Amino acid sequence: DGGITQSPKYLFRKEGQNVTLSCEQNLNHDAMYWYRQDPGQGLRLIYYSQIVNDFQKGDIAEGYSVSREKKESFPLTVTSAQKNPTAFYLCASSTLGLAGGRELFFGPGTRLTVL
Amino acid sequence: GENVEQHPSTLSVQEGDSAVIKCTYSDSASNYFPWYKQELGKRPQLIIDIRSNVGEKKDQRIAVTLNKTAKHFSLHITETQPEDSAVYFCAASPNFGNEKLTFGTGTRLTIIP
Repeated sequence: DGGITQSPKYLFRKEGQNVTLSCEQNLNHDAMYWYRQDPGQGLRLIYYSQIVNDFQKGDIAEGYSVSREKKESFPLTVTSAQKNPTAFYLCASSTLGLAGGRELFFGPGTRLTVL
Repeated sequence: GENVEQHPSTLSVQEGDSAVIKCTYSDSASNYFPWYKQELGKRPQLIIDIRSNVGEKKDQRIAVTLNKTAKHFSLHITETQPEDSAVYFCAASPNFGNEKLTFGTGTRLTIIP
């Protein structure tokens, strides 16, 4: 398992605290994504970025923030405004080639628990 | 926006039998349909995908079929093996990209030895 890494694997947070999840990739992919995975639900897109210094909101961006200062890195901050932050967070990356579908390469995930 | 429904949510089959997972989508503009497999404790991985200009695609024991008129697509796994046990997610996208990729809720497949 290489290519895209996330840290930490487990994260505990008290209510009212902001926390930042790390995501790094060495696949030279232009696009990076953050998904949230809850039991019995599919993967839901939080934010995505297709180029350095630019990012777009996904379907459930409220209470989250991101930055893309380097091509390799796409950290996610879960703010205190996120009402229900306990979840499994997956980072992914892909190419932006014009030919056909673009496979998502996922990181191993971070499980966030709010105490 | 797109809505993807996936059935069943859980599926158990005897080893060696076939398994079928079905998904329906709502946006007629969707043209790319990937399937991801997530083994317990591991990250999701793409196992097969299909575009709207193709009705069926096979890769060894795995096949996907697409019915654009009915707006549904299915994953077929033949000669199932214990390592097929996992959660499978279908997804649909209108532009081959991932920005608009909508996932189904997943099917937990258990292969009974």
